[in-house]
Amino acid sequence: GESVGLHLPTLSVQEGDNSIINCAYSNSASDYFIWYKQESGKGPQFIIDIRSNMDKRQGQRVTVLLNKTVKHLSLQIAATQPGDSAVYFCAEKETGRRALTFGSGTRLQVQP
Amino acid sequence: GAGVSQSPSNKVTEKGKDVELRCDPISGHTALYWYRQSLGQGLEFLIYFQGNSAPDKSGLPSDRFSAERTGGSVSTLTIQRTQQEDSAVYLCASSPRQEMNTEAFFGQGTRLTVV
Repeated sequence: GESVGLHLPTLSVQEGDNSIINCAYSNSASDYFIWYKQESGKGPQFIIDIRSNMDKRQGQRVTVLLNKTVKHLSLQIAATQPGDSAVYFCAEKETGRRALTFGSGTRLQVQP
Repeated sequence: GAGVSQSPSNKVTEKGKDVELRCDPISGHTALYWYRQSLGQGLEFLIYFQGNSAPDKSGLPSDRFSAERTGGSVSTLTIQRTQQEDSAVYLCASSPRQEMNTEAFFGQGTRLTVV
């Protein structure tokens, strides 16, 4: 079933290109950040996380960058594939809390 | 189990009726979360369990919403006297460790439609 709305910002890229998805957060007390991928009808899937004492972390084909000065988080996907098409959410966690606060999401469309 | 399991996957109910949504977390996971996802919006935190206790229930939108967890495993989210604005996908997640900064694994959700 549908898990995302009709008015999400959309990033459209060609297969093989690199994708950059951005996220702004507002809570200066956030100490932990996660990127999730959500495909239609499924729950969010963990991609990569980063703690506030870091500014960059790399995974397989993905890199997360954290700029605490301007409260900005980005997800870079290298060599984007059709299977990467989904809605991507950033999430932040405030120090001392367990709950995650999610952004509104960005839809990534990969054109073959 | 292999992942977080939620049931039912879809639920249609009449306005004013009560509903129960079930979550089976990954075996051994001590932390359990409920979130709600409305169309066009991100995920909204509802409640967090550590074991059977709920140290953070700040996201429950009204006293019509309640949740419990028994045996440190299965959790039930109950919505009483459902309203149309309760229509959403209700997602459950669990985490393997007590440390604060760790990822949560999500189930596929229960789509609730109140008519």
